[in-house]
Amino acid sequence: GAVVSQHPSWVICKSGTSVKIECRSLDFQATTMFWYRQFPKQSLMLMATSNEGSKATYEQGVEKDKFLINHASLTLSTLTVTSAHPEDSSFYICQTRATSGRIQETQYFGPGTRLLVL
Amino acid sequence: AQSVTQPDIHITVSEGASLELRCNYSYGATPYLFWYVQSPGQGLQLLLKYFSGDTLVQGIKGFEAEFKRSQSSFNLRKPSVHWSDAAEYFCAVVPNTGGFKTIFGAGTRLFVKA
Repeated sequence: GAVVSQHPSWVICKSGTSVKIECRSLDFQATTMFWYRQFPKQSLMLMATSNEGSKATYEQGVEKDKFLINHASLTLSTLTVTSAHPEDSSFYICQTRATSGRIQETQYFGPGTRLLVL
Repeated sequence: AQSVTQPDIHITVSEGASLELRCNYSYGATPYLFWYVQSPGQGLQLLLKYFSGDTLVQGIKGFEAEFKRSQSSFNLRKPSVHWSDAAEYFCAVVPNTGGFKTIFGAGTRLFVKA
């Protein structure tokens, strides 16, 4: 199956700093990437959908100015948590969708990035 | 409203016993259906998926799931649970409306007792 990587795998930062998380599809081109957030003992919630070369689409209740998404290439999407606060501490997971658009090529998840804001 | 429901927050079974985790969905058209497992602090692992065809789907680690259209269900089963199966299980759907967003159920935590 396709491989999706995320970097870093975990990060600890001070409140007020910005953190960038990278999501890479290693062996196929991803037209679309999805970003999810998972708080402790909760399910995954979709934050936003990013399409290569265009602005991301954010789910209701997600602040686009706080969670900046850039999908500059078909293999890389980045999520930047700006001015992070303790309530942003969470597990962030990306998901890629191949350019073929087939459902069979949409369920590739990254290993996740755990963010802890002190 | 469109939703994915996992009615059991947690389930405890004895090692060697059978397991069934419930999942119901509420969508106009049958969505694409998935089951994932997540160990503590880890990412998601796909257990199995249903797109069309045979309603009984075999997955990895001895898991299977049955799609029942009449009940809008996609329950996960395993005939004999191992201690290593203790984890969080998520039912997920991708609505058959394009876009390919994945909607996750709330999850069911499985505990296995010796």
